[in-house]
Parts: sequence; C-alpha cells; structure tokens
Amino acid sequence: DVKVTQSSRYLVKRTGEKVFLECVQDMDHENMFWYRQDPGLGLRLIYFSYDVKMKEKGDIPEGYSVSREKKERFSLILESASTNQTSMYLCASSFDRGLREQYFGPGTRLTVT
Amino acid sequence: AQKITQTQPGMFVQEKEAVTLDCTYDTSDPSYGLFWYKQPSSGEMIFLIYQGSYDQQNATEGRYSLNFQKARKSANLVISASQLGDSAMYFCAMREGRSGGSYIPTFGRGTSLIVHP
Repeated sequence: DVKVTQSSRYLVKRTGEKVFLECVQDMDHENMFWYRQDPGLGLRLIYFSYDVKMKEKGDIPEGYSVSREKKERFSLILESASTNQTSMYLCASSFDRGLREQYFGPGTRLTVT
Repeated sequence: AQKITQTQPGMFVQEKEAVTLDCTYDTSDPSYGLFWYKQPSSGEMIFLIYQGSYDQQNATEGRYSLNFQKARKSANLVISASQLGDSAMYFCAMREGRSGGSYIPTFGRGTSLIVHP
C-alpha cells in the first residue's frame, strides 16, 4: 500500500526557532512536494523536487528551504519560524513528472508562538 | 488572477441526489491536466479523478465524473447518488508545464460539501 509519512502530526515551536518537517515515501516516487494549507486559501505549493538534490520553488517559497538528500525523504526547513507560518503542512509524492496522481501524507499542524 | 477558481465555498445536497461542484481554470499550457481531490474531516487528501487536456472523453471513476468543457475552461465534478460519507472539502487542481520539463500543480480554494440524510 502506498505510504507517505510525516514526522509529526502536531508541532508547537517558538518564534525564531529553526524547524524541520520531515516527509518519507516508500513508493520510489520521483517527485515530492510541500504545501501549506490555510482556511479559505486551499493548498499552496511551497517547494517541490523531481529528483534527488533537485528542488524548485513553488508559489510561496519565502521563509522556507528544502532538502532532498535521498529519494525517499524530503525535508522542509523553516530557518527562523514566525507566527505567520502557523499552518497545516502537507507533503505529497507522485510517480512521474506528469503528476497524474499525488499521494499525500497526513499533514503536520504547526503552531508558532 | 487565480489559475483555479472554485466559486462555491459551500454546497448542500440531499442524500442519494447528484451534485455538481464547479471549477474553472486558466492556463496557456496546451498539455495541462485537471484533478479533483477529496479531504474529509480527518484531513487526508484523497485523489478522485484526473482529466488530461487531450482526453476526448470525460473522465469517470465510479460515482465521480468530470464534466470537461475545454472551450469554457471548465472542469466540474459530478457526484452521483450522494452518500453521507461524501461530506468533505473538495479541491480542484491543475498541473501545467514549466520550462525545464517539470510540471507544477496548482490547487483551488476548495468547496465544502455537506450531504444531508
């Protein structure tokens, strides 16, 4: 069965902290994505990666960075967390660049105080 | 301008009736793709259906069908015979090509569907 896991379901961090959100997929997928979901705004793409050590900016990359050292793992990094980064973060993967279907993780609800 | 527009923030339907969720899109990529995802209150995103821009026939998956009207740039989701378990947020999404050969996904803001018994 297809599986995308995220390191935490809930996370509370303080302003200015460095935050790591981890995502692992076990399907040998090429592509991985990080989104944030906010009420009334839908899902917005932060970064994506279509190969190891490759990354591309999405629509809202400011304040975030990513790391993909291994095919199965894609990390989202908040260098200095701010309160406006309080959100639900969703990781997804897809088999090919055509993006016919994405598989999503359960999400991490991050609160920055 | 939004690339994916879902104009219905909330929809209500009686159990066993059909419901249409609206989605319009905007792209200059000729080989785009359109998707619908469901997000129940538990939070997981579930892929429902996909339509490629060159597909001649409307996509169908069980009770879900995509009413694809290319000239109107419309990709409405039709759910037939609604069930209580269909109550969820529904997101329309599009993939379009980017220079360098990658595709980028864009999601709409979602429509909340409530199915009444």
